[in-house]
Amino acid sequence: NAGVMQNPRHLVRRRGQEARLRCSPMKGHSHVYWYRQLPEEGLKFMVYLQKENIIDESGMPKERFSAEFPKEGPSILRIQQVVRGDSAAYFCASSPAGGREQFFGPGTRLTVL
Amino acid sequence: GESVGLHLPTLSVQEGDNSIINCAYSNSASDYFIWYKQESGKGPQFIIDIRSNMDKRQGQRVTVLLNKTVKHLSLQIAATQPGDSAVYFCAERTNTGNQFYFGTGTSLTVIP
Repeated sequence: NAGVMQNPRHLVRRRGQEARLRCSPMKGHSHVYWYRQLPEEGLKFMVYLQKENIIDESGMPKERFSAEFPKEGPSILRIQQVVRGDSAAYFCASSPAGGREQFFGPGTRLTVL
Repeated sequence: GESVGLHLPTLSVQEGDNSIINCAYSNSASDYFIWYKQESGKGPQFIIDIRSNMDKRQGQRVTVLLNKTVKHLSLQIAATQPGDSAVYFCAERTNTGNQFYFGTGTSLTVIP
């Protein structure tokens, strides 16, 4: 059973470009969470999604950031018009319905030049 | 060796010694806690969890202690090995929330 998959593992963008980060949850998991981690800091919650629904986006910046988890395919975290402050590691986690533990992917390291 | 949350974010121990990593959590409504291990360049890896109706839970070489009175969590690693070198995070979740709140982390270095 494959774990949580994220791609790309590393992403380089120039200021003003768009970044798209993908997350495929573990098989059988219907809940996805996105976290951001700055260097030498803990993970900060961004958004919690179930299939076709955003459940909690209290940690998402109000502008430029959006997330989706379509009925088919991976969850996407989209950052428009990236700025240098968006440089971070972005982690996705998944859990089954009713599950408490979250399983993390390897992360996508975004670098904005 | 022993570290206390934000004040001592690094901990060095000799191989074979026991390690104690501490964490102060913030929300008295938190009812579920997880310790994660994060190696360089990787995602957090589940180590052990504990619910608020327990005060101790043991795994393989690891023990988590929970003191709800003072909102304190600790991770004890027995016979620490070089492979234990990593950053350790405690994470808490409330009984009404969906997200985990992560501490800053403690960097553990095991000296061979």
